[in-house]
Amino acid sequence: DAGVIQSPRHEVTEMGQEVTLRCKPISGHNSLFWYRQTMMRGLELLIYFNNNVPIDDSGMPEDRFSAKMPNASFSTLKIQPSEPRDSAVYFCASSFELALSTDTQYFGPGTRLTVL
Amino acid sequence: QQQVKQSPQSLIVQKGGISIINCAYENTAFDYFPWYQQFPGKGPALLIAIRPDVSEKKEGRFTISFNKSAKQFSLHIMDSQPGDSATYFCAASQIPLNSGGYQKVTFGIGTKLQVIP
Repeated sequence: DAGVIQSPRHEVTEMGQEVTLRCKPISGHNSLFWYRQTMMRGLELLIYFNNNVPIDDSGMPEDRFSAKMPNASFSTLKIQPSEPRDSAVYFCASSFELALSTDTQYFGPGTRLTVL
Repeated sequence: QQQVKQSPQSLIVQKGGISIINCAYENTAFDYFPWYQQFPGKGPALLIAIRPDVSEKKEGRFTISFNKSAKQFSLHIMDSQPGDSATYFCAASQIPLNSGGYQKVTFGIGTKLQVIP
């Protein structure tokens, strides 16, 4: 398996622009997570999907952020409008099972977002 | 509020030495404690993990020590090698009540380890 695939790997945009990050989870995994990583706050969970349904979006910082999972093999994280403080590395992760705290989350390579 | 406190934030160790990273938590509902390793430009990857009913787990050169009463756990890397240079994250996992059963992982801030020859 190719692992979790994210695109683009790097994104540079100007403040106010819309940004869309994409993720393809590992085939067969039914849980998908979006994280944000910054030096100051480390890894933060933004939103979690199970079987394509958003379960917990309490980590989404504000209404400018939205995420969708139209099918089992694709998810997007959108920021509109983007702001310089959104600059971070955004990771997508997926896992197989739902009910076990021991289930391993497999992370993608991340998208480094820079908002000027 | 940082639920998993990790220290140090950076660590330099000579080749062959022991690297030690410490973590502490408050939430007694955490029931699984994984460590992730992240190389530059890559996503975190599971390295080793422990459940709270075990005080120690060893996999090769990597050992987790767990002290449930103190709510502390640590990662020891024996015979550290330059290839171990990476950022290490401790984490704690739980299935929150009324959550639909999903695993919620809380990460420490990370420790950047540099092993020098």
